[in-house]
Order: sequence, then structure tokens, then C-alpha cells
Amino acid sequence: SAVISQKPSRDICQRGTSLTIQCQVDSQVTMMFWYRQQPGQSLTLIATANQGSEATYESGFVIDKFPISRPNLTFSTLTVSNMSPEDSSIYLCSVSKGMGTGELFFGEGSRLTVL
Amino acid sequence: AQKVTQAQTEISVVEKEDVTLDCVYETRDTTYYLFWYKQPPSGELVFLIRRNSFDEQNEISGRYSWNFQKSTSSFNFTITASQVVDSAVYFCALSGGATSGTYKYIFGTGTRLKVLA
Repeated sequence: SAVISQKPSRDICQRGTSLTIQCQVDSQVTMMFWYRQQPGQSLTLIATANQGSEATYESGFVIDKFPISRPNLTFSTLTVSNMSPEDSSIYLCSVSKGMGTGELFFGEGSRLTVL
Repeated sequence: AQKVTQAQTEISVVEKEDVTLDCVYETRDTTYYLFWYKQPPSGELVFLIRRNSFDEQNEISGRYSWNFQKSTSSFNFTITASQVVDSAVYFCALSGGATSGTYKYIFGTGTRLKVLA
């Protein structure tokens, strides 16, 4: 298993500002992902956080808007830049110990509200 | 490209009824994994099952059962004798990527199950 700590758990932000979400895992993991879940919606993959290299972004998500770092096998950050009300969502850090083979573990999420 | 379709947006049943949640997937990978997750109103995601593409045996766990059919690319989930506590959003997910080399997990749109007392 993997225990994931995400900070902040929630925040209220002003339009135009940026916020960095931290994800700490209690053990080394192979894969780390960042998802967004808008109210009443499914989980949308933002990017795969690659250790020591640039993240791999999904269609519709770009590095300038969602810069991601992953300096080691247990930690990653997601920044939501120049926020607008449309960015109000739950952001979820998730990890897998296999290469797409194992259970995906989730943090409790970071609920962002942009005013 | 990978895709997961959950055509049922919302299902309502009366307690003790059986209910089946449908999941259809698309992938070009020959090796892949399928998952079901439950998201109760509290919001946390609860892992229910993982099935790999080479194992088509149906699985039963208590009131839950899963039917995996490669021929129809489906991985359906049945709850027998539903209970109010089963009320949640259920997500089907697909992972793979050995063919493309990009391993990731794709989720369906979810089915909201309401079990009425």
C-alpha cells in the first residue's frame, strides 16, 4: 500500500494567483499522477510526474498552466498558475507501485476554490 | 488510444435489489488492467478490484461480483441485494501502455448509484 499526504487540503484563492500543491508518499513509488475532479465529474488525468525529468501532459493541459516537479520517488508538486474560477476543482495526487499494473492509490485531494 | 465508457450516468434502485453497472473499454494494448473504484459522498476513492487482461474468470467478493468479457470489451460490476451504504459514484478505470510505453490510468465518467430505503 501507499499513504499519500497532500497539502493544502483546501484553499480559497484569488483570480490571477498561483498555488502549489504538495504530495508526499510514505514509500518510493514508480508512477505518480495528478488528476483533476471538477464537481460532479470524473477524474481527468492532468499529467504523469516523471522523476528527474519533465512531466508528461495530457491533451488540454500545458506546462505553463500546470507546472509539475518530481525531484525524487516520494514527492511531487503541482502548481496551478494564474488561476481563474474555472480552475476551481479537487486536485488529486495518485501513485502506483507498478508500471500501470498495480492499484492506484489516492491522496485525500486538495479542494481549490478560485474567486 | 485508451477509453472507458460508463453509459449509465445514474441508477436508482430500492434496497435489496440487484444492480449491474456497465463498463466498456477500448485499448490497443494486449496487456492491460481494469479497475473499479467507489467514491462515497465523503469523497475518498475506495479501490474495489483489479483484473488483468489475461484473467477472464469472474470474481465474487461478498455481495459484489465482476464479469470480465474480452470479446465484448466489457468489465461489468454487479451488486447483489443492494444496501443504502452502497450509494456512491462508481468508476471503472483502465491502465496499460506497454504498446505505447506511456503507462497511465484512464477513468470512465462514473455511474452514480442511489439505493433507496
